[in-house]
Amino acid sequence: AQTVTQSQPEMSVQEAETVTLSCTYDTSESDYYLFWYKQPPSRQMILVIRQEAYKQQNATENRFSVNFQKAAKSFSLKISDSQLGDAAMYFCAYEGGSEKLVFGKGTKLTVNP
Amino acid sequence: DTAVSQTPKYLVTQMGNDKSIKCEQNLGHDTMYWYKQDSKKFLKIMFSYNNKELIINETVPNRFSPKSPDKAHLNLHINSLELGDSAVYFCASSLRGVLQETQYFGPGTRLLVL
Repeated sequence: AQTVTQSQPEMSVQEAETVTLSCTYDTSESDYYLFWYKQPPSRQMILVIRQEAYKQQNATENRFSVNFQKAAKSFSLKISDSQLGDAAMYFCAYEGGSEKLVFGKGTKLTVNP
Repeated sequence: DTAVSQTPKYLVTQMGNDKSIKCEQNLGHDTMYWYKQDSKKFLKIMFSYNNKELIINETVPNRFSPKSPDKAHLNLHINSLELGDSAVYFCASSLRGVLQETQYFGPGTRLLVL
């Protein structure tokens, strides 16, 4: 069974600085997708970024980028120029052939002004 | 425009009652899901339907019964509610196909069983 591990229960960053959230996963599949979702206090699950495993190029979305290391099964999220509105729980998720999302336990990000 | 909507957003009820949560998506997706987020924020899949057909049924008590009247709707009915059912329930939808599509989530329903 696939598992997703987020080893940082909490992280903090100063406004305008850069922070990296870690995620590792375990799978025997070769084709899969990885996601980062953001959950602010409103509890809405918001897609931040997505990476297809067959693509070597790291995905980027404005201030958000990933470092995808397929051999190491690592999928970290980098947030540049952090803003107060980035404060939230961040969940790493895996989707393979079963088509269900398997989530990590989340990292709570605090942004300090 | 609301993409994935759930009703109600909050549900407070007594142990032993039966309750339903409704979910609707207007994205034209053919696959819908129910996830449960517990008090520690852990999210886990419960069910998935594709074109009204059940395709994922995780280890969930029989008291939980999903119903999909059409591919735009997936409701969750819970019988004989227990304290441990208190959680946030999220509905999600996606377009199933050769290229797996992103799952989009509803706003969640916070269920509190007293």
